[in-house]
Amino acid sequence: QKEVEQDPGPLSVPEGAIVSLNCTYSNSAFQYFMWYRQYSRKGPELLMYTYSSGNKEDGRFTAQVDKSSKYISLFIRDSQPSDSATYLCAMLSPRSNTGKLIFGQGTTLQVKP
Amino acid sequence: GAVVSQHPSWVICKSGTSVKIECRSLDFQATTMFWYRQFPKQSLMLMATSNEGSKATYEQGVEKDKFLINHASLTLSTLTVTSAHPEDSSFYICSARGSDLGQPQHFGDGTRLSIL
Repeated sequence: QKEVEQDPGPLSVPEGAIVSLNCTYSNSAFQYFMWYRQYSRKGPELLMYTYSSGNKEDGRFTAQVDKSSKYISLFIRDSQPSDSATYLCAMLSPRSNTGKLIFGQGTTLQVKP
Repeated sequence: GAVVSQHPSWVICKSGTSVKIECRSLDFQATTMFWYRQFPKQSLMLMATSNEGSKATYEQGVEKDKFLINHASLTLSTLTVTSAHPEDSSFYICSARGSDLGQPQHFGDGTRLSIL
């Protein structure tokens, strides 16, 4: 079983829809949670960064962490065609010696005009 | 803020040559830098972690003599693919982080390496 599970999709939604992206994990030591967006042939771009549990909002993006369920989510409101990309969740334990991020497989999102 | 520049973005070279890829943190001090490899439609695979002034730590299965990493300053790390062969063709991405383990990694835009 992978430490982080993420549905690869693809997920196709119409423009303006609310998008929900999710990851589950097995390691209860994870405390730092990140969402990255990666366009084709580009490096990942940090979207959201959360420590421990709770919600964080930034513009159209909301990140949620539920440590009791070992489940994190990224919500995108009023989705736009420019949001079409692969979304990677990543996690880190404070016990890590090197700071190695554990990534999900990535979910490919397509927002249709 | 937190800009990481990677160069070149695309390189094509003949089998047997060595290729150097540079990764620079432009507006912060990168105590730790990471090098990843990414195959099409797959997630990132960590190759090695480097701390400024120290030898890199390679992940299991990564040949340290094939992939030479240098992190001589707080703003620059290089990856040299030595005697490259077609199977080394891939998308290589670097990331950089400050001194705090909990700080997020910021990624460069990647280098597409094609070996003929």
